Amino acid sequence: SAVISQKPSRDICQRGTSLTIQCQVDSQVTMMFWYRQQPGQSLTLIATANQGSEATYESGFVIDKFPISRPNLTFSTLTVSNMSPEDSSIYLCSVVWSSGELFFGEGSRLTVL
Amino acid sequence: EDQVTQSPEALRLQEGESSSLNCSYTVSGLRGLFWYRQDPGKGPEFLFTLYSAGEEKEKERLKATLTKKESFLHITAPKPEDSATYLCAVHADSWGKLQFGAGTQVVVTP
Repeated sequence: SAVISQKPSRDICQRGTSLTIQCQVDSQVTMMFWYRQQPGQSLTLIATANQGSEATYESGFVIDKFPISRPNLTFSTLTVSNMSPEDSSIYLCSVVWSSGELFFGEGSRLTVL
Repeated sequence: EDQVTQSPEALRLQEGESSSLNCSYTVSGLRGLFWYRQDPGKGPEFLFTLYSAGEEKEKERLKATLTKKESFLHITAPKPEDSATYLCAVHADSWGKLQFGAGTQVVVTP
């Protein structure tokens, strides 16, 4: 299975600031995704991180708020911009492995004050 | 619209007391049903993928089954270390776009 590392694992941020979350995979993967898990809720897909092109966002998520980069097949970043307390969530990177299974990183827990 | 409903929301079991979790789904063209385990403060841990009705998969004390409308996760003789939230998700569209249920929180007491 894939080994997925996320940084930071947690952070406390001030309202109005931005934070970039990194996701590193130990092998090349074609498909990489970013999910959000709000407190007490299940997971919601934010976007598909496309290598070498703009990310594909799900309904309700926009590039200005959640810019995503994917410079190669093992790395991606998600930025949460102009944060508000409503952005307090766990942000999760996930990849589709060669077996077709979807694996998740440990998540980045973000608290916005 | 695709829907995934898990029941019960929470389950408290005595060690050794077997039980089942339910995941009912409504999707147009199921391409896979996934079960994950999530511990507090951690990312979901992959357990199983089921692709067609009648399929079953086992891992230690867990067994997942699939019908055309629902999936069950059976926990046989659970131990305290089986305490976690169990998430069900369906894949009906493009790869990676999973529709998750709200989860079942399982607590196993000694």
